[in-house]
Amino acid sequence: VTLRESGPALLKPTQTLTLTCTFSGFSLNTSDMRVTWIRQPPGKALEWVALIDWEDDKYYNTSLKTRLSISKDTSKNQVVLTLTNLNPVDTATYFCARMRSNGASFTFVDYWGQGTLVTVSS
Amino acid sequence: DIQMTQSPASLSASVGDRVTITCRASQSISRHLNWYQQTPGKAPKLLIYATSTLQSGVPSRFSGFGSGTDFTLTISGLEPEDFATYYCQQSYSTLLSFGGGTKVEIK
Repeated sequence: VTLRESGPALLKPTQTLTLTCTFSGFSLNTSDMRVTWIRQPPGKALEWVALIDWEDDKYYNTSLKTRLSISKDTSKNQVVLTLTNLNPVDTATYFCARMRSNGASFTFVDYWGQGTLVTVSS
Repeated sequence: DIQMTQSPASLSASVGDRVTITCRASQSISRHLNWYQQTPGKAPKLLIYATSTLQSGVPSRFSGFGSGTDFTLTISGLEPEDFATYYCQQSYSTLLSFGGGTKVEIK
């Protein structure tokens, strides 16, 4: 299983961020599979951003949801995250990751991409 | 949304020490609690899921305990490679959330 994030490194305030997660080793058509985005501002803690699952159900961080969109293209094994109206506090390393369950009801993130640093600055 | 609070924010310890990190949820999350380890410049690594189940390949010196709102991660006998930042994460709600992290530093 591998995941890789791609997208712009530098954006200006009010612009829109589009990140692509390209993955291999699993399919988002398979039951129980999910891809999630997590971000980490420099020197700060992890913050969950969004999640999409095999049934195309989508979940968003409450504080960001008015600016967020997540989608999948299962034919390309890609998940796309869009964050609109950027401001400098959105500067962070953005990770995409796979989430699954242990076959029961317990879910966890077991594979992560290397992350991509996105800087928002005028 | 479920808030996760970790303590302490940082601690200093020596190789061989036993350390315990605490994570508290703002509401009951049963046993839906995971722990991750992150070293500088790297992606987090899953250590423990479902409160106490070690991910494959994780050394047995790591252990987790708890249920409801209170959880702990214990490292019994710190090794040099254990100096890192540790995060708890709840998966009880599909709106996931992480704790603020605990940095384990060398004394």
